[in-house]
Amino acid sequence: GQQLNQSPQSMFIQEGEDVSMNCTSSSIFNTWLWYKQDPGEGPVLLIALYKAGELTSNGRLTAQFGITRKDSFLNISASIPSDVGIYFCAGQTNQGGKLIFGQGTELSVKP
Amino acid sequence: GAGVSQSPSNKVTEKGKDVELRCDPISGHTALYWYRQRLGQGLEFLIYFQGNSAPDKSGLPSDRFSAERTGESVSTLTIQRTQQEDSAVYLCASSLLGEYTEAFFGQGTRLTVV
Repeated sequence: GQQLNQSPQSMFIQEGEDVSMNCTSSSIFNTWLWYKQDPGEGPVLLIALYKAGELTSNGRLTAQFGITRKDSFLNISASIPSDVGIYFCAGQTNQGGKLIFGQGTELSVKP
Repeated sequence: GAGVSQSPSNKVTEKGKDVELRCDPISGHTALYWYRQRLGQGLEFLIYFQGNSAPDKSGLPSDRFSAERTGESVSTLTIQRTQQEDSAVYLCASSLLGEYTEAFFGQGTRLTVV
């Protein structure tokens, strides 16, 4: 079935460093979404992307919808301790239907 | 409230019992999803209600799992004859249908089968 490959699986960084994570798919996607999940909470939407090549920022977060429509990346600049959590990408193919999620990237930030 | 609401927030049940989990979506959201998240794992798709179209049930792991939704309102996920491997957080999300499909999640129901 359709799968999203998200990498890296985990990251350990120093406060102040920049972070990058990405997702790739074998299918063409119409929508890419990036979520953050804190322990004991539901995922919270960070950024939504709807057009190939689109680059969208939300504060220190920047995400891009790949030109091929098969990938997306999320960058976090100048990381801070509250960035700790699990980040998920999600996408919807051009056939519509359910949102498919990546496996998640667990981010740890050392003060 | 304005967000997705799930109840109960926690449920402990004995193996073999049936449980019902409830999701109140954001008003006006015609799409509704259920996901399962085991401890330390990603989101496992269960079922997707997409307006008036037939639901996508392809993620339901067995016939012990079922879900209902009446119109654009509340959805219930039912697990019959619960097993210990059903222990997980069950997450519900809702979205609009069409071009802009940002899905918003509830806090989840943590199910523990003992």
